[in-house]
Amino acid sequence: DAKTTQPTSMDCAEGRAANLPCNHSTISGNEYVYWYRQIHSQGPQYIIHGLKNNETNEMASLIITEDRKSSTLILPHATLRDTAVYYCIVRVGNAGNMLTFGGGTRLMVKP
Amino acid sequence: GAVVSQHPSWVICKSGTSVKIECRSLDFQATTMFWYRQFPKQSLMLMATSNEGSKATYEQGVEKDKFLINHASLTLSTLTVTSAHPEDSSFYICSAPLRGGLGNEQFFGPGTRLTVL
Repeated sequence: DAKTTQPTSMDCAEGRAANLPCNHSTISGNEYVYWYRQIHSQGPQYIIHGLKNNETNEMASLIITEDRKSSTLILPHATLRDTAVYYCIVRVGNAGNMLTFGGGTRLMVKP
Repeated sequence: GAVVSQHPSWVICKSGTSVKIECRSLDFQATTMFWYRQFPKQSLMLMATSNEGSKATYEQGVEKDKFLINHASLTLSTLTVTSAHPEDSSFYICSAPLRGGLGNEQFFGPGTRLTVL
């Protein structure tokens, strides 16, 4: 699986958009970009994933650059409950494969 | 979405005792489940892959005789920490992939916090 690089931590004001970047310059053509988050003392939660096109669901939007070497997860209106560690993971899109977690970005949403 | 449960959610035990942690997929079948371990302020580290009806596959550095895994059915995998010591204190998390599910995502249990005194 391709390696990812994320900032260690970020702050965001409540109600504002949170933009979390991820670099994955060695991504292969058949690898997807997945985002998970882990709220303190809980198991990780799936957020969104994409291959080439931008994706949006009820939780977030995923913007993938045209060369696919980086992506941004957008939480459009961050709330205090969005405070968590966000993990960007790149891997082949097979549900049977395990996930390799990097350090992630610790997002702190402040009132 | 699919639900994965773990039991117990937390456990405190004495050094030298064994602790069993259960991971259940509540509304789907999982031929494969994954066990992770997370130490404070660190990321999740894969320990082993649990396979229904066959032996588990362990990651390098994980002692298979210490961390016994049994995947007895399509909805249950258990992790037994044998002769637990304080250094085994950690947050243990399991996950199960939902094949064919939307996004092909994996669903994680809520975790089990083990404290060995």
